[in-house]
Amino acid sequence: QKEVEQDPGPLSVPEGAIVSLNCTYSNSAFQYFMWYRQYSRKGPELLMYTYSSGNKEDGRFTAQVDKSSKYISLFIRDSQPSDSATYLCAMGGSQGNLIFGKGTKLSVKP
Amino acid sequence: KAGVTQTPRYLIKTRGQQVTLSCSPISGHRSVSWYQQTPGQGLQFLFEYFSETQRNKGNFPGRFSGRQFSNSRSEMNVSTLELGDSALYLCASSLDQGRSGNTIYFGEGSWLTVV
Repeated sequence: QKEVEQDPGPLSVPEGAIVSLNCTYSNSAFQYFMWYRQYSRKGPELLMYTYSSGNKEDGRFTAQVDKSSKYISLFIRDSQPSDSATYLCAMGGSQGNLIFGKGTKLSVKP
Repeated sequence: KAGVTQTPRYLIKTRGQQVTLSCSPISGHRSVSWYQQTPGQGLQFLFEYFSETQRNKGNFPGRFSGRQFSNSRSEMNVSTLELGDSALYLCASSLDQGRSGNTIYFGEGSWLTVV
């Protein structure tokens, strides 16, 4: 079993839709959780960072962590064509390095 | 505030050659990490440096090495290149990677193609 599982998609939605992206993990030692957005041929851009169970909101983005279920989610409200990218979940613990999901490719159609 | 800067952005090398990639972290950041990204394996951790010392290492062969200088700039080197080393190499910086809740920021990456 991989440490972090993420559905690669692709996921295609119409503009304005609510998007739900998810990752599951197996390592209880993970302490903090991140979501990155990566456009084609660019480096990952940090979107959200959290280290506790519950929800964290930032504009149209909401990150949700459920440590008991080892499940994290990213919700995008009112999705825009500019949100079309690959979304990567990442997790880390005391070792410091991040473990990444494979990424979900999202396409938002106008 | 300047972001993480990586050079070169694109390069093509021949099998058997070696390559050196450079990374300048965000000003004030002391931790620099390197990741390899490929379509098949995704993002995989190579190593982390903090205050010129390698603090953590991923599961890559010894052909992959790195170092950090006193100004926190870092280089990674890959010797005896193989076709499978073709990838996007990403550098990430943080105040102190993953510890004390510090966040990690990535550069644009260096695209390496081995022919």
